[in-house]
Amino acid sequence: AQKITQTQPGMFVQEKEAVTLDCTYDTSDQSYGLFWYKQPSSGEMIFLIYQGSYDEQNATEGRYSLNFQKARKSANLVISASQLGDSAMYFCAMREGWGDSGAGSYQLTFGKGTKLSVIP
Amino acid sequence: GAVVSQHPSRVICKSGTSVKIECRSLDFQATTMFWYRQFPKQSLMLMATSNEGSKATYEQGVEKDKFLINHASLTLSTLTVTSAHPEDSSFYICSARDLVGQGFLSPLHFGNGTRLTVT
Repeated sequence: AQKITQTQPGMFVQEKEAVTLDCTYDTSDQSYGLFWYKQPSSGEMIFLIYQGSYDEQNATEGRYSLNFQKARKSANLVISASQLGDSAMYFCAMREGWGDSGAGSYQLTFGKGTKLSVIP
Repeated sequence: GAVVSQHPSRVICKSGTSVKIECRSLDFQATTMFWYRQFPKQSLMLMATSNEGSKATYEQGVEKDKFLINHASLTLSTLTVTSAHPEDSSFYICSARDLVGQGFLSPLHFGNGTRLTVT
């Protein structure tokens, strides 16, 4: 089974509107982290926001917020007031396990991504 | 913020030759770096975990003799694609975690990636 599922291969949003990018995850761990990255066409991976499994409040970072619904195992990214520069691939990722016990616990598993296109 | 420099950004090589890709953490130390591979319009797949001063840990299905990883210092990891073939053409991207971490939720910092084309 896939650990990270992003069901929207592509999304369109009008400039200045809000958009939600879906992400569901699968883990049996109690402690885990969820991350969102943006990848423009140039290829670099830009960290946007994260949410810990024990965080009770949804994470926010500027125009980005993470709608974390633990029971549903979903961690959707909400981008408010979309800008043309937001057009990119967006990847949801998960880190499982907890603690500083080993390097492997810091790796990220990525979903297949959603291509967001902002329309002027 | 933490910067990871990856070089070269693009490389074209002939089949059978070897290519070395460097990944440097510029303003932080990283005991661990991760190497990912990304095919066009697909996700990032973890290839290996690079540990400073020890052997890399490879993911299942990744040939360690073909993808040589060296992590000689706290700021540099290299990936060498040996005897490259056209099917090795891909986007390779490294990432690193700051040694002075912010805990389990510290994000990975990524390089800008290397687009390898084997002719």
